Amino acid sequence: DAGVIQSPRHEVTEMGQEVTLRCKPISGHDYLFWYRQTMMRGLELLIYFNNNVPIDDSGMPEDRFSAKMPNASFSTLKIQPSEPRDSAVYFCASSFRGRVNTEAFFGQGTRLTVV
Amino acid sequence: KNQVEQSPQSLIILEGKNCTLQCNYTVSPFSNLRWYKQDTGRGPVSLTIMTFSENTKSNGRYTATLDADTKQSSLHITASQLSDSASYICVVRKSGGGADGLTFGKGTHLIIQP
Repeated sequence: DAGVIQSPRHEVTEMGQEVTLRCKPISGHDYLFWYRQTMMRGLELLIYFNNNVPIDDSGMPEDRFSAKMPNASFSTLKIQPSEPRDSAVYFCASSFRGRVNTEAFFGQGTRLTVV
Repeated sequence: KNQVEQSPQSLIILEGKNCTLQCNYTVSPFSNLRWYKQDTGRGPVSLTIMTFSENTKSNGRYTATLDADTKQSSLHITASQLSDSASYICVVRKSGGGADGLTFGKGTHLIIQP
């Protein structure tokens, strides 16, 4: 398996523009997580899905952020409109059955810069 | 409030030397603690996981310890190599917290110099 695949790897956009980040989880995994990483706050959970259904989106910072998982092999995180403070590295991770000791496998991340 | 504090924030050592990274947590009730290694420009990769009953666990040159009484963990790296340069993140899972019951430390940035 190629692991969790994210695209694009880098995104530079102007303030106010819409940004869409994409994720393909590991085949067979039933949990998908979106994280944001900054120097100041480290890794923060934004939202996670179980079997394509959003379970907890309490980490989504504002209504400008939305996430979807239309099927088991694809998820998007959208920011509309984007702001400079959204600049961060966004990670997608997936795991199987979300049990206590289950490891989450991370993608390589999307580095977002909003200017 | 559930917290995970890591120290030091950054560390520079010479190749071949040993080092120890610290992780203190207040997460309760405790389920497990995982150390991740994050190379620059990559996602975190799990090194080891510690459960309540485990005191020490090794993965090659990496040895993790856990003291559940004092709520402290350490990651010891022996005979460091240039490839050990990375950020090391401590993550603690809360018992009963479900798939999202994780608290992340901010990481220790380790640089190995030749």
